[in-house]
Amino acid sequence: AQSVAQPEDQVNVAEGNPLTVKCTYSVSGNPYLFWYVQYPNRGLQFLLKYITGDNLVKGSYGFEAEFNKSQTSFHLKKPSALVSDSALYFCAVPWAAGNKLTFGGGTRVLVKP
Amino acid sequence: EAGVAQSPRYKIIEKRQSVAFWCNPISGHATLYWYQQILGQGPKLLIQFQNNGVVDDSQLPKDRFSAERLKGVDSTLKIQPAKLEDSAVYLCASSHPPQGITYEQYFGPGTRLTVT
Repeated sequence: AQSVAQPEDQVNVAEGNPLTVKCTYSVSGNPYLFWYVQYPNRGLQFLLKYITGDNLVKGSYGFEAEFNKSQTSFHLKKPSALVSDSALYFCAVPWAAGNKLTFGGGTRVLVKP
Repeated sequence: EAGVAQSPRYKIIEKRQSVAFWCNPISGHATLYWYQQILGQGPKLLIQFQNNGVVDDSQLPKDRFSAERLKGVDSTLKIQPAKLEDSAVYLCASSHPPQGITYEQYFGPGTRLTVT
């Protein structure tokens, strides 16, 4: 079964510092991987996806993610975090036909001024 | 383009009552999903529609949950009777291609249900 895991419930970082949100995957075949962000009282917003090709994927709001096949990881990164990046981040993997998504448990990011 | 619309945004009911949620997907999106997100967890798929047909409802508790998308556009999710453990945010999402595994889904703001 396709699955993703987010080992950290919360990540705290100071504004201006690099931000990393971790995700590991367990996928049979070629992995397709997604990152979504959820701001308070709002639905999930798509950030970026890995389908194939370059291991470094660039997405919305200055985020990028690095696909690492040997470590089965797809960590989300931002070089310089903003207070407005404080939100809940979810890694996800589609399974079966029809693009059903299985989500990780989520990582809460708190960026302090 | 307009996003996915959901209503109501909040609902409080007593256990054993019934409740219904409404979703209007992005225009032209053939695929519609309902997810349940319990506090502190990631969303879990309940049901997937393609146009007006059900693609997957394997994780829908059919003894109390039902959903329909009669005209292949908007959709309704119903719970009857509600239990305390149904307290969650119910998210609706849509995507354009019918079976595109690589395409992102667009989510509505969700309906926060509290069952007392």
